[in-house]
Amino acid sequence: NAGVMQNPRHLVRRRGQEARLRCSPVKGHSHVYWYRQLPEEGLKFMVYLQKENIIDESGMPKERFSAEFPKEGPSILRIQQVVRGDSAAYFCASSPVWVGQAFFGQGTRLTVV
Amino acid sequence: GIQVEQSPPDLILQEGANSTLRCNFSDSVNNLQWFHQNPWGQLINLFYIPSGTKQNGRLSATTVATERYSLLYISSSQTTDSGVYFCAVEITGGSYIPTFGRGTSLIVHP
Repeated sequence: NAGVMQNPRHLVRRRGQEARLRCSPVKGHSHVYWYRQLPEEGLKFMVYLQKENIIDESGMPKERFSAEFPKEGPSILRIQQVVRGDSAAYFCASSPVWVGQAFFGQGTRLTVV
Repeated sequence: GIQVEQSPPDLILQEGANSTLRCNFSDSVNNLQWFHQNPWGQLINLFYIPSGTKQNGRLSATTVATERYSLLYISSSQTTDSGVYFCAVEITGGSYIPTFGRGTSLIVHP
């Protein structure tokens, strides 16, 4: 999958804790997307970022969720005060340009207990 | 927003059989990709195919952009083909965000 790295692969959090999911895009890619996948469902768009900018966050819940893609370092999806309904697989994808082929990481499976 | 519909939702095959998966979309697209999500959850790029036909081994794909559909062909299926197949599109003049269909779940029996 052209090198999109997500970590951790699995994350367990208790209700009320914070979850931080990291995504390192393919080297040279400046566009990052985050998606959420619930069991037995497709991938739902959450947020689209370029370096230091949020381009579209229309799919992200207004509260508790935030995302960033700093000039240096990985993109971070942050979920504060997690609830059981946040349990899902979170996928990150990167692409080099507008209208480019997107490559996905292996996902982070978040379980809230 | 754009509607992406995949059919059939579920498919069960005997090893060696051929199959065709379909992706219909409701608007003009700049970009279309097919992905395979294996039983371990990993998403694997199959084709980047906004138009035309491509082949890769036993798999091939055709997108007819003017008629707003794409087809994924799997020939001589193997058990390792099992998983969920997704198409994802980006609409023309849109926000360059891939929108996914709900997928076709394929089980190939030995």
